Amino acid sequence: ILNVEQSPQSLHVQEGDSTNFTCSFPSSNFYALHWYRWETAKSPEALFVMTLNGDEKKKGRISATLNTKEGYSYLYIKGSQPEDSATYLCAFSPLSGSARQLTFGSGTQLTVLP
Amino acid sequence: SAVISQKPSRDICQRGTSLTIQCQVDSQVTMMFWYRQQPGQSLTLIATANQGSEATYESGFVIDKFPISRPNLTFSTLTVSNMSPEDSSIYLCSVVLTRGAFFGQGTRLTVV
Repeated sequence: ILNVEQSPQSLHVQEGDSTNFTCSFPSSNFYALHWYRWETAKSPEALFVMTLNGDEKKKGRISATLNTKEGYSYLYIKGSQPEDSATYLCAFSPLSGSARQLTFGSGTQLTVLP
Repeated sequence: SAVISQKPSRDICQRGTSLTIQCQVDSQVTMMFWYRQQPGQSLTLIATANQGSEATYESGFVIDKFPISRPNLTFSTLTVSNMSPEDSSIYLCSVVLTRGAFFGQGTRLTVV
């Protein structure tokens, strides 16, 4: 059973604050680490797919880093806006077995207060 | 990318009945995945739907409860059979491409 854990479970921040959350995953048998944003009543939206240790990806005000040796990834949001309110999911993809099978963390629910 | 049309978007069902959820993908894909998210839980994989062969179920999920069809490379259905209130969840279908996973809009099921 793969263990993918996210923290914190939920987070409330003020508009303009920067924030970050953590995803921890198995450091062995690693293929890729995914981040998704899931807004209420919508389908999850892919943010990043990261494969290389030390990788850092950026999309607007959102960025993510990856450490495969120690098994963690951080997601950062700079200058949070109310529209960033969503659940942020990470997912682990293994090297062996089907790389297309993702194991998800339980998510971090972000609320940005205006 | 992939566009997935999933329906119904929500339903309220009586216990003991069955509901079939449909997903249509705008391109041909070998594998489609069905997930469930129970309240307060993470997305949990139910099964992998392969075209031309039986679906592969994850531990804790069985074909009699969640029969899956995959008649071609763009379509799949998941049936939730003999429903109980514990089946109240969001059900999602998904495909995985190089750029990540793409999901249907989800089916929010409430069993009363």
